[in-house]
Amino acid sequence: DAKTTQPPSMDCAEGRAANLPCNHSTISGNEYVYWYRQIHSQGPQYIIHGLKNNETNEMASLIITEDRKSSTLILPHATLRDTAVYYCIVRAYSGNTGKLIFGQGTTLQVKP
Amino acid sequence: NAGVMQNPRHLVRRRGQEARLRCSPMKGHSHVYWYRQLPEEGLKFMVYLQKENIIDESGMPKERFSAEFPKEGPSILRIQQVVRGDSAAYFCASSPRQGQRRTEAFFGQGTRLTVV
Repeated sequence: DAKTTQPPSMDCAEGRAANLPCNHSTISGNEYVYWYRQIHSQGPQYIIHGLKNNETNEMASLIITEDRKSSTLILPHATLRDTAVYYCIVRAYSGNTGKLIFGQGTTLQVKP
Repeated sequence: NAGVMQNPRHLVRRRGQEARLRCSPMKGHSHVYWYRQLPEEGLKFMVYLQKENIIDESGMPKERFSAEFPKEGPSILRIQQVVRGDSAAYFCASSPRQGQRRTEAFFGQGTRLTVV
């Protein structure tokens, strides 16, 4: 699986958009970009994933560059409950692969 | 549709005892993954199973740890002769088999193992 690079920490004001970057310059053609978050010590929560097109759901938007070497997770209106560690993961889903390899992630602190 | 269910949520074992952690995947999911999170550390992949098969156990310690996912029933992570260093949160995730439209893996709330 390709490796990802994320800033270790970020701050965001409550109500503002949080933009979390991720670099995955060695991503392969069959690898998806997944985002998860872990709030305190709870189980990781799935947020969104995409292959090459931008994606949006009720939680967030995912912007993937045309060359697929980087992406940005956007939380449009961050709340205090969005304070968490956010993980960007590239994951193949073919053959017998499919495991998620977690890096250090970005600790997002949403401040009032 | 119930999520991934793990039990027990908290487990206390004395050194030398066995710990059994159970994971029931989401309905329709046939892939299970186990992860360990030591205090103040990240999530580490342990093992990836499909029904009756271990697909990838590259993250499993060589001794005392084993996992299974039988044809019927939950997946079990077994730790024999526990030591204090096994104290951690153990998370299970499940995902559908290949070919399904949705491929996301969902996690349970974990089992917190404390070895005393």
